[in-house]
Amino acid sequence: NAGVTQTPKFRVLKTGQSMTLLCAQDMNHEYMYWYRQDPGMGLRLIHYSVGEGTTAKGEVPDGYNVSRLKKQNFLLGLESAAPSQTSVYFCASSYGPAGGEDTQYFGPGTRLTVL
Amino acid sequence: AQSVAQPEDQVNVAEGNPLTVKCTYSVSGNPYLFWYVQYPNRGLQFLLKYITGDNLVKGSYGFEAEFNKSQTSFHLKKPSALVSDSALYFCAVRERGDYKLSFGAGTTVTVRA
Repeated sequence: NAGVTQTPKFRVLKTGQSMTLLCAQDMNHEYMYWYRQDPGMGLRLIHYSVGEGTTAKGEVPDGYNVSRLKKQNFLLGLESAAPSQTSVYFCASSYGPAGGEDTQYFGPGTRLTVL
Repeated sequence: AQSVAQPEDQVNVAEGNPLTVKCTYSVSGNPYLFWYVQYPNRGLQFLLKYITGDNLVKGSYGFEAEFNKSQTSFHLKKPSALVSDSALYFCAVRERGDYKLSFGAGTTVTVRA
């Protein structure tokens, strides 16, 4: 099992450019999540999905869109990147809701810089 | 609303000494509590969790944590720290019935040889 993988690992964008981050998991997990990590702020939830074809807003959804067309993939899109979106992005997945008997498994992260 | 506080940005200990990383939480009801560790340029790795039952939870790499409901705390402990324990540690909480985990800001642990 590869677990949770993220593509790309690094990216530099100019303000206004768009991009898509891909998250893939091979554990047959129902739930998937996108977080951003900023110094001194821990991880903040951007969007999440409770199953194929579903998405929901998290704590900091503005400026991002997501899609879950296939159970194993969760895409995070930035339509018009801004310097405030410079961050490290983590994808995670779990069998069921975050917590409970189910543990979230994290990908290695994508480091995004917006100039 | 649920939240987590990690009152120490940094913890420095000598190898072989006990290590404690503090965490307090706030939820409306009963919590699920977690500790994760992040090594440089890596994703988060699960260490342990409290769901119910025994207040002392044992996890990976010799770590344990004690759930204290009256003090709303879930401190992470290791009796004898190793240099390889140097990393960023996150506490997280989920209120039962909610989908989302809330993370603390993280505590950087440095274990010196």
